[in-house]
Amino acid sequence: TQLLEQSPQFLSIQEGENLTVYCNSSSVFSSLQWYRQEPGEGPVLLVTVVTGGEVKKLKRLTFQFGDARKDSSLHITAAQPGDTGLYLCAGAVGFQKLVFGTGTRLLVSP
Amino acid sequence: SAVISQKPSRDICQRGTSLTIQCQVDSQVTMMFWYRQQPGQSLTLIATANQGSEATYESGFVIDKFPISRPNLTFSTLTVSNMSPEDSSIYLCSALTARSGANVLTFGAGSRLTVL
Repeated sequence: TQLLEQSPQFLSIQEGENLTVYCNSSSVFSSLQWYRQEPGEGPVLLVTVVTGGEVKKLKRLTFQFGDARKDSSLHITAAQPGDTGLYLCAGAVGFQKLVFGTGTRLLVSP
Repeated sequence: SAVISQKPSRDICQRGTSLTIQCQVDSQVTMMFWYRQQPGQSLTLIATANQGSEATYESGFVIDKFPISRPNLTFSTLTVSNMSPEDSSIYLCSALTARSGANVLTFGAGSRLTVL
């Protein structure tokens, strides 16, 4: 069974701070995705990384896929209250199935 | 990407009853999935809803408890049978679509069930 462990589980910071969320596994994934979920909503895709070592930037968010395609990180620069939510990584197993990480709940206070 | 509508969005149910959740996608999709998200936790895959055949269930989930229908490429239902308080959770429908060379999931807003 593939497991994706995220750390930290919970993070409470002030607006303007930087943070990094980690997603680690002992399994290799064909791709890895990051989602953000807000209360009362389903998760929404932020990014997909496919190639080992790949780095993608989405405004203040930087995503990196590990060289061995077993881990990933999400770095947020100058966090804003609108970044508050549950961040989930998800690894693709085979062609269709996704395994979700344990989740990181982020609270950004003004 | 696809737009997914789920209903009911929330419900309060009595122990021992069953509830069916409906999921409608605005376009034809090959793969649909049902996930469970317990309060404050991540998503656990219940099953893959297969069009025209029986759903494929993950370990720990069985058809008698979570019967699933998939009559066509845009619609699926999940029934939570003989509910107990432990079934209180958010149930999410999702569809698989291709984007930028990778398969990604689009989710409905979820159905929050509370079992008393």
